Amino acid sequence: ENVLTQSPAIMSASLGEKVTMSCRASSSVNYMYWYQQKSDASPKLWIYYTSNLAPGVPARFSGSGSGNSYSLTISSMEGEDAATYYCQQFTSSPFTFGSGTKLEIK
Amino acid sequence: DVQLQESGPGLVKPSQSLSLTCTVTGYSITSDYAWNWIRQFPGNKLEWMGYISYSGSTSYNPSLKSRISITRDTSKNQFFLQLNSVTTEDTATYYCARGTSMDYWGQGTSVTVSS
Repeated sequence: ENVLTQSPAIMSASLGEKVTMSCRASSSVNYMYWYQQKSDASPKLWIYYTSNLAPGVPARFSGSGSGNSYSLTISSMEGEDAATYYCQQFTSSPFTFGSGTKLEIK
Repeated sequence: DVQLQESGPGLVKPSQSLSLTCTVTGYSITSDYAWNWIRQFPGNKLEWMGYISYSGSTSYNPSLKSRISITRDTSKNQFFLQLNSVTTEDTATYYCARGTSMDYWGQGTSVTVSS
C-alpha cells in the first residue's frame, strides 16, 4: 500500500505566522487530498485535487505538490486554524491516510 | 443538504460481528459516488475500510478483505458495514463518508470491542 508520511507530527505557530506542513507518499500519486479535524469532530474535506479549496475554506490556505511530495500552507496563522490535518490519496487502493500534523497556537 | 448518520451498537464482544448502518439524506446513494466506511483508532490513525458504489459494486481494504462486507438498502437510502470476528483491535470510531474525495462525513459512532 501507499504509505503517506506527514511531517512534522506536531507544530506550533504564532498568530500571523506562515505555516507549511508536508506529506510524502511512498509511491507517486496523481493528487493529494487534505482534511481538517478538530477535537471530537469528524474530519472535514479541506483541499482536493492537490490545490483546490473545499467550500468555505479560507483563502489563506493553499495546497501544492506533485508526484511523491505535497504540502499544505497557511499564509497567516489564525486561531481557528488550530487542528489536526491529514493527507489522503486515492490514486491506488487501498486508499490511505497520513498520520496527521497537529497544529497548535504558540 | 447532504447528511450522513451512523448508527449501531456501541459495544461488541470479541469474536462476534460488528454491524453498522449509515443513513443518507439529501442525496440518493444510487445516483453517483462511492459510499465509504472509514475508522479512526484510539491515537487517531485513520483507516479506509471499503466502499459500495452507486452501482452496487464494492471495494475493500485487503487488510480486512476476509472479514468485511458492505451492502445497501436502496429503498431506505442506507448502506451497511459488517465486520466479522472482531477483536479488541477493532475498537474505533467508525465513520461513513461520501465519494472518493470524502466531501461529506457522518458524525461518527464509537464502537468498543470488549467482553
